Amino acid sequence: QKEVEQNSGPLSVPEGAIASLNCTYSDRGSQSFFWYRQYSGKSPELIMSIYSNGDKEDGRFTAQLNKASQYVSLLIRDSQPSDSATYLCAVNIATGGFKTIFGAGTRLFVKA
Amino acid sequence: DTAVSQTPKYLVTQMGNDKSIKCEQNLGHDTMYWYKQDSKKFLKIMFSYNNKELIINETVPNRFSPKSPDKAHLNLHINSLELGDSAVYFCASSPPSGNTIYFGEGSWLTVV
Repeated sequence: QKEVEQNSGPLSVPEGAIASLNCTYSDRGSQSFFWYRQYSGKSPELIMSIYSNGDKEDGRFTAQLNKASQYVSLLIRDSQPSDSATYLCAVNIATGGFKTIFGAGTRLFVKA
Repeated sequence: DTAVSQTPKYLVTQMGNDKSIKCEQNLGHDTMYWYKQDSKKFLKIMFSYNNKELIINETVPNRFSPKSPDKAHLNLHINSLELGDSAVYFCASSPPSGNTIYFGEGSWLTVV
């Protein structure tokens, strides 16, 4: 089983809609969870982090965490064409130090 | 004043050659990484250094040798390049918590 799994997509939503991105992880001891956005030809950049069960909102973005189900999600409200990118779910795995493991990413297309 | 800078950005080379990628960060972070992103966009950690010491070494061929002369620099040398080494290599750094990873712009390596 892969350590961090995401649907590769592409996920296509119309402008103004809610985009829902999902991620599951295998390490029950993980405590830190992240969403990175990567535009084509660019490097990943952090957009959300979440450490506790529940929701965390930042502008149009909401991260949701359910540790019992080992599930992380990202909601993007009022999606814009500029949100079109690959969204990478990442999880810190405790290995003596820590290691950030990335999922394969979900490609999101927002149609104008 | 780029936070994480790596050179070269593009590299085309023949099989069997040896090449190096240099990386520097001016964020004052103790931890630096090399990640490899293949054609399917899967971002995989290769190495992690903390204050010049190797702390994570994934199952990477011995042809890949990282070197950290000081905590602000982490270089990657690759011997006997193979076609399968073609990928984007990202250098990155993070603060002690590891909760945000700052990526360089990437080095696009093509082996022909």
